[in-house]
Order: sequence, then C-alpha cells, then structure tokens
Amino acid sequence: EAGVAQSPRYKIIEKRQSVAFWCNPISGHATLYWYQQILGQGPKLLIQFQNNGVVDDSQLPKDRFSAERLKGVDSTLKIQPAKLEDSAVYLCASSLGPGEETQYFGPGTRLLVL
Amino acid sequence: GESVGLHLPTLSVQEGDNSIINCAYSNSASDYFIWYKQESGKGPQFIIDIRSNMDKRQGQRVTVLLNKTVKHLSLQIAATQPGDSAVYFCAEMGGKLIFGQGTELSVKP
Repeated sequence: EAGVAQSPRYKIIEKRQSVAFWCNPISGHATLYWYQQILGQGPKLLIQFQNNGVVDDSQLPKDRFSAERLKGVDSTLKIQPAKLEDSAVYLCASSLGPGEETQYFGPGTRLLVL
Repeated sequence: GESVGLHLPTLSVQEGDNSIINCAYSNSASDYFIWYKQESGKGPQFIIDIRSNMDKRQGQRVTVLLNKTVKHLSLQIAATQPGDSAVYFCAEMGGKLIFGQGTELSVKP
C-alpha cells in the first residue's frame, strides 16, 4: 500500500514570497491533516479536512495560510506571503475517517524562508 | 492550554538493553494515545497505540503502559537496536491529536 505522498521535499524561498505544498493521502482515506513541525518540537495541527470539507482550521494563520482539498483527495497548502518564522517542516497525514483515528504521515516538506 | 510533555529530552542506551521513554499528559478527557517514531528527514511513523480503557498493550518489541491516575504514558522497547535511534513522540487524542516535544533515543553499539 502506498503511503502519503508529499512534494516538494525541500523548498527555499525569500520572505514575502509565496509557496505551495502538495499532498496525496493514502487511497481511501477520507481525513487529511496538515501539520507544522518547527525544529525540536512536535507537529502542530494546522488544518483538518473530512473529504472536501474543513473540520478544524482553528490553528491556521488565515491571514497568510490557505489550504484546499477540492475533490476530497489530494490537497494543497499555500503560504502567501511567507515570513521567517514559517521555516519548518510541513507534514501531511491521513486517516480512514471518523472512528479510525490512526494517522499516517508523509515525509514532509522542509521549508526554509530567508 | 492542554499539552503533552515528555520527562527527558534525550535518552542514551546500550544496544541490547531495554529502553523506557516516559510521557505526561494533562487532558484527562483524552481517550486515545499514540507513540510515533521519527527518524531524521522523515515523517512520524506509527509505533503503537492504546485506548483509555486499557492500561497495557504489547506489540513487537514494544509495550505501551497507561496510568490514568497520574496521567502518565510510557513506551518500553525491548532489546534496543541501532535502528531504534530516533525521536519518539507521544500524542494524545482529545478531539485532535496533540504531540509532545519528543525524546531523542540514541543507541550505542
């Protein structure tokens, strides 16, 4: 079974530029999550989708971050404009859905904002 | 706010010894707990989970213990191997998954 796919794996941008990350969850997984992991810390949830609907985006900085999952499968996370403090690993995870809470993570996208 | 924390940031063990990684959680309403292993440059990898109606669960070389009285979770790794070297996170589910800071396990050959 293929795991969660993410691209790109690495990205370096200058502050105030924009960047987008892509995630393809495990086939059949209805729930998709985006996490931010700052160096030395545990992942922090940014947004959770159930199919193509947002379940929780309370921790998403909506002035600069946006995410979508239009067809209920793959998803994109965008940052515009980026700040220095956005340097982190952005992890995508998926789970089967309600009642099946185990989350499986992708390899992450490592973002460096200069 | 609610948080999950780890007692020790680093743990160094000899190959073949048993490892114990501890975790304290603060949300007494959490009903599901997971241990993840994260190797450098990779995403967290599911190791083992436990629900709040259990106090012990065993997997292959790993055991998770849950003490709800003191809100404490531990991960035991038997016969630790060099491949076990990684950062280990505990996470609690109380509506959403909340991760602790992590413990770095280093295995000496």
